Amino acid sequence: SYELTQPPSVSVSPGQAARITCSGDALPKKYAYWYQQKSGQAPVLVIYEDSKRPSGIPERFSGSNSRTMATLTISGAQVEDEGDYYCYSTDTSGNHVFGGGTKLTVL
Amino acid sequence: QVQLVQSGAEVKMPGASVNVSCKASGYPFTTFAMHWVRQAPGQRLEWMGWINAGNGKTKYSQKFQGRVSITRDTSASTAYMELSSLRSEDTAVYYCARSEVLLPFDYWGQGTLVTVSS
Repeated sequence: SYELTQPPSVSVSPGQAARITCSGDALPKKYAYWYQQKSGQAPVLVIYEDSKRPSGIPERFSGSNSRTMATLTISGAQVEDEGDYYCYSTDTSGNHVFGGGTKLTVL
Repeated sequence: QVQLVQSGAEVKMPGASVNVSCKASGYPFTTFAMHWVRQAPGQRLEWMGWINAGNGKTKYSQKFQGRVSITRDTSASTAYMELSSLRSEDTAVYYCARSEVLLPFDYWGQGTLVTVSS
């Protein structure tokens, strides 16, 4: 079955750039999406169609997709950006898949 | 504003079924799809299936095929997810999430905790 692979954790200091990667074989053909989940809360969409930002999401969140790797970048990460981040995509058969999640620590 | 409000927490015995509802408001219910995603304690998000709220067509993850059923009541703007033959590994928070073609899961319900325990 199709898999999206993320690093388990990323740690940065406040104000530094945080980069979270997501690798998958179908990513050259399929969009990547990113969701932020804070403890005990439902996920929130932060990036769609590889690099677009929904209204209300701060400009420091950006995304890219190159070959088999999508990347979420948080420029100047803040303490309030801590949480789990999940990438999502579909495979060429239409199966919906989430990555394993990356725990972002900002301290 | 768009809201998805789910039914309350459930405790079920192994082998039983659970039915979780998701009432939508703030948008035309039949013009979007509704997906169901679950998250076991400390685990990743897991996609279960979806329903086209307009025509009622469904698609399920192979993992849950045969055990899950997603339906909707357009008059009540509500989607339902039933999971049968429950086992302890089904203990999880179950979410509904609205989607359109290139904007999946833009709004989520608050989640429903289902605990399977004897």
